[in-house]
Amino acid sequence: DAMVIQNPRYQVTQFGKPVTLSCSQTLNHNVMYWYQQKSSQAPKLLFHYYDKDFNNEADTPDNFQSRRPNTSFCFLDIRSPGLGDAAMYLCATSRVGKGDEKLFFGSGTQLSVL
Amino acid sequence: TQLLEQSPQFLSIQEGENLTVYCNSSSVFSSLQWYRQEPGEGPVLLVTVVTGGEVKKLKRLTFQFGDARKDSSLHITAAQPGDTGLYLCARGGYGQNFVFGPGTRLSVLP
Repeated sequence: DAMVIQNPRYQVTQFGKPVTLSCSQTLNHNVMYWYQQKSSQAPKLLFHYYDKDFNNEADTPDNFQSRRPNTSFCFLDIRSPGLGDAAMYLCATSRVGKGDEKLFFGSGTQLSVL
Repeated sequence: TQLLEQSPQFLSIQEGENLTVYCNSSSVFSSLQWYRQEPGEGPVLLVTVVTGGEVKKLKRLTFQFGDARKDSSLHITAAQPGDTGLYLCARGGYGQNFVFGPGTRLSVLP
């Protein structure tokens, strides 16, 4: 089945130690998103790629970076994780151009910062 | 500025009860989506509504889009424990135009 896959499901890192989260998709969607979700809150958009074009949200900290080497893969790099970065990180995709975009989410990566 | 509002924020009910949750905005939607997120998982799309006044049914779930396309409701009949989760409405679009409401956290007790 076509899907959005995130690895790992759980990630533990140390304060200040760089960490990379990965996302892959078999849907061939042109847009990929990274969301941060803290407990009992709605997902908050960090940035998205429309094909190779990177779009950063104004309030996304510089500590967060992203790479999309090809259509199928997208990475979230946290350069120096702080305790406040502990959260669920969700990757999503959509296919723009149909006039009715829908988000397809992965299962998320739960990040803990010690 | 909160573009989308959802109510109630939390809801705890007994199995078999009916419930309605709401999503409101001061802006007109081109389309509106409802997602359900179970604990430890990503949100899953339930439905998209596009036309003012539209009603869609998904088994025991009934979704309604307001005539003015500024609000929507989700009604669940005879709730079951499997309905437990976070219900999110989202304004259609892509990228920064994809706005989620704060969600309604539903707990259905057996």
